Amino acid sequence: QVQLVQSGAEVKKPGASVRVSCKASGYTFTGYYIHWVRQAPGQGLEWMGWINPKSGDTNYAQKFQGRVTMTRDTSISAAYMELSRLTSDDTAVYYCMRVPCIITSCPPLNWFDPWGQGTLVTVSS
Amino acid sequence: EIVLTQSPATLSLSPGERATLSCGASQTVSRNYLAWYQQKPGLAPRLLIYDVFSRATGIPDRFSGSGSGTDFTLTISRLEPEDFAVYYCQQYVNSPLTFGGGTKVEIK
Repeated sequence: QVQLVQSGAEVKKPGASVRVSCKASGYTFTGYYIHWVRQAPGQGLEWMGWINPKSGDTNYAQKFQGRVTMTRDTSISAAYMELSRLTSDDTAVYYCMRVPCIITSCPPLNWFDPWGQGTLVTVSS
Repeated sequence: EIVLTQSPATLSLSPGERATLSCGASQTVSRNYLAWYQQKPGLAPRLLIYDVFSRATGIPDRFSGSGSGTDFTLTISRLEPEDFAVYYCQQYVNSPLTFGGGTKVEIK
């Protein structure tokens, strides 16, 4: 079945960077946009951006421009989200998600299914 | 940016009761580009409804979506014990994608 499996929890110091991975299985990885969203403790969902795994094209939310980098490795069907210059406000669970239809017939902005299980990133000195 | 406002923040109901959750948008959500998700503690959100009305695969028919323009509703016809959770709406009309702040459905 279609599945996204994310890397494990991370603890980082302020000013550091973190990279979260999202490994896809059960479908053609290069055929579907991958998005990233985060959720601070007890808070709602905040969209960060998307990557086209086929071309590598990206689109980031303005809030994260200059601090986030989304990449992929098609040889192992994995997407990555790197966030730099971390502060305590970046403490959150980070999720990757897939859009429902193939890139050639699907806009990048869409609903999401499935979701990865989430990766907790804690920023603390 | 389209701001989504969900109400109420908390809904206290008993199993078997009907739940009505609202999602209001600051601008028209065209093409019915609105989805609903359910989230339980410690888990990722799960897709319930997309394109305002369409139930995702495996979602029971007690869940239904309605609305248009700027006002949308998720209805759970008869609450089951497993339905007590937080619910989020999401628009995908334009960037940035945005989510509502959530409605928590709790046991009364």
